[in-house]
Amino acid sequence: AQSVAQPEDQVNVAEGNPLTVKCTYSVSGNPYLFWYVQYPNRGLQFLLKYITGDNLVKGSYGFEAEFNKSQTSFHLKKPSALVSDSALYFCAVRDSGGYQKVTFGTGTKLQVIP
Amino acid sequence: GAGVSQTPSNKVTEKGKYVELRCDPISGHTALYWYRQSLGQGPEFLIYFQGTGAADDSGLPNDRFFAVRPEGSVSTLKIQRTERGDSAVYLCASSLELAGGPDTQYFGPGTRLTVL
Repeated sequence: AQSVAQPEDQVNVAEGNPLTVKCTYSVSGNPYLFWYVQYPNRGLQFLLKYITGDNLVKGSYGFEAEFNKSQTSFHLKKPSALVSDSALYFCAVRDSGGYQKVTFGTGTKLQVIP
Repeated sequence: GAGVSQTPSNKVTEKGKYVELRCDPISGHTALYWYRQSLGQGPEFLIYFQGTGAADDSGLPNDRFFAVRPEGSVSTLKIQRTERGDSAVYLCASSLELAGGPDTQYFGPGTRLTVL
């Protein structure tokens, strides 16, 4: 069975500082990995995905994530946080072995403090 | 272009009643997913359609839940004999399922179901 762990319920960071939101995963095959963001009263929005190739993936709004196979991690990062980045972030995984089921983590609330 | 739409946005029903939730995917998207999101949790996979067929329904919690997509576009999630534990936000997503790997899933705003 595949799973995703987001160990932090909430991350607080000062505006302008770098941010990291952690994600680790477990799949039987090779992973497809995703990050989504959810703003209050709005739907989930895609940020970025890792399929294959370069371990550093760049996505929307200046976010990036690094795939680390040995640590089974896919942490989300941004060099300089904005107050408008405050939202709920979800990591998700799908097994590349022909399966369609996507498993989401429980989410991490990011609070950027002015 | 238009995104994924879901109707109704809110549904309040009584325990034991039948409900239908509708999803209109992005035009041309062959893949369609249903998820359920409870408070404080991430979306939980329910079912995946490729075209008209349910390719993976392993996430449906029991036989009170079923979904259809008769023409390969609009999908309806149907819940019979609703229970209070069914209360959640039901999310729909669609994507182009490309041969080279998974395409981005685009989510609708969800239907908030409340069972009294």
